Amino acid sequence: DTGVSQDPRHKITKRGQNVTFRCDPISEHNRLYWYRQTLGQGPEFLTYFQNEAQLEKSRLLSDRFSAERPKGSFSTLEIQRTEQGDSAMYLCASSHIRGLAGVDEQFFGPGTRLTVL
Amino acid sequence: GENVEQHPSTLSVQEGDSAVIKCTYSDSASNYFPWYKQELGKRPQLIIDIRSNVGEKKDQRIAVTLNKTAKHFSLHITETQPEDSAVYFCAASHQAAGNKLTFGGGTRVLVKP
Repeated sequence: DTGVSQDPRHKITKRGQNVTFRCDPISEHNRLYWYRQTLGQGPEFLTYFQNEAQLEKSRLLSDRFSAERPKGSFSTLEIQRTEQGDSAMYLCASSHIRGLAGVDEQFFGPGTRLTVL
Repeated sequence: GENVEQHPSTLSVQEGDSAVIKCTYSDSASNYFPWYKQELGKRPQLIIDIRSNVGEKKDQRIAVTLNKTAKHFSLHITETQPEDSAVYFCAASHQAAGNKLTFGGGTRVLVKP
């Protein structure tokens, strides 16, 4: 499968625990985005990377959230001291931007569904 | 920042009829407008997109129109089929904002056989 993959697909954790999710983008895509989707809503932007550089973080991303893309390939999203309000689907998307005027479609992964008890 | 409004939130149509979903956006700098289809428990899938230098784009039974002056865009699905039943999301983005997508609230489409 050459699409975007995410692991795990489901995660159940207790409040206060730390969790980490992984996203593998489409090979050679230089942009990687994280979004959060709650039931019945559209995805909301969290953060994005171009290669290994994290270029923007949403105000939704509190200091308990951290994301990395160490080698410009896969990315991880960690949530520390989880809260019940963190329960959501965490979606990753990748795209390939060519040059300064590029606008390329984003391809989404299947998501990681987080449930915080 | 960008704000995208989407209407209606639910849409029920008879098989074979047309479905229209409308979105408005607030940031005049937005220049890319994709539409995603999301089936229950699955990833959003891009079905069509339009860039701000065109007013209309068509792909088989689906079409999208864009009115930059009014800052609204619409998705049209003709000859609907039961497999068109899903949640549809519009989105907007622009290059200066890193092409991050701002999504509308979604439209749940039910096609009745």
